Amino acid sequence: SQQGEEDPQALSIQEGENATMNCSYKTSINNLQWYRQNSGRGLVHLILIRSNEREKHSGRLRVTLDTSKKSSSLLITASRAADTASYFCATDAGNAGNMLTFGGGTRLMVKP
Amino acid sequence: DTGVSQNPRHKITKRGQNVTFRCDPISEHNRLYWYRQTLGQGPEFLTYFQNEAQLEKSRLLSDRFSAERPKGSFSTLEIQRTEQGDSAMYLCASSLTSIYEQFFGPGTRLTVL
Repeated sequence: SQQGEEDPQALSIQEGENATMNCSYKTSINNLQWYRQNSGRGLVHLILIRSNEREKHSGRLRVTLDTSKKSSSLLITASRAADTASYFCATDAGNAGNMLTFGGGTRLMVKP
Repeated sequence: DTGVSQNPRHKITKRGQNVTFRCDPISEHNRLYWYRQTLGQGPEFLTYFQNEAQLEKSRLLSDRFSAERPKGSFSTLEIQRTEQGDSAMYLCASSLTSIYEQFFGPGTRLTVL
C-alpha cells in the first residue's frame, strides 16, 4: 500500500516558473527521498532528507521536512521543459532493509 | 554503462503462462530490491536481497511469485500462472548497505492478455 499521498496529482506550469509538490506520510521515518521518473525511463534519485533535518538544497531543488506534520515539500525553481516528469516521494522507515514506500506521485508538465 | 539493467524491457504473455525477468545490479551493490508499479501509481515494494539472502517479502508477493539471487549478483523474478492483474512495470533497484539511495533499472513492462 502507498505510504501517503502527494499533492497535487498533476501540475502544469510555464517554463521559468517554480513548481511545488507536497507529500504526506503516515508512519515515523528515518529519511525521506524524492525521485523523478520520465516517460519510459526508470526512477532517478533527486535528493534525500534525514528525519533530523528540516531543509535541504541541491541545485534548483529545495526540500523541506516537517516530521510533526508528517509532510514534505519539493520546490523546483526556474523550471525547464526538461523537468517534465512524474515526481515521487519515498519514505524509509528505518527498517533493516531500508525498503522504500512511495507516494502516488505528482505529474509535472512544464510548457516551453 | 554501469547502471542497473533489466531484461526483457517488455513482455507480453497469455494468462496462465510463466514469465521470468532478470535484473543485473550495479556490480558492487550488495542489496537488490524488486518493486511493482501499476499505471498512475507509485512503486510498491515486493522483496529484497542482502547479497544472496532474501530477507524480506511483501504481502503483495503471492505464492505464484518467486525471486532468487543465487550468487549475490544478478537476480530473477518468476511469476507462475500469470493473471491479468499481474500486468505492471516490474522495477529492480540496487544499493549499498551504507547508502540509503537506491538506483533503479528501466523496468520490465509485463502485459498479461
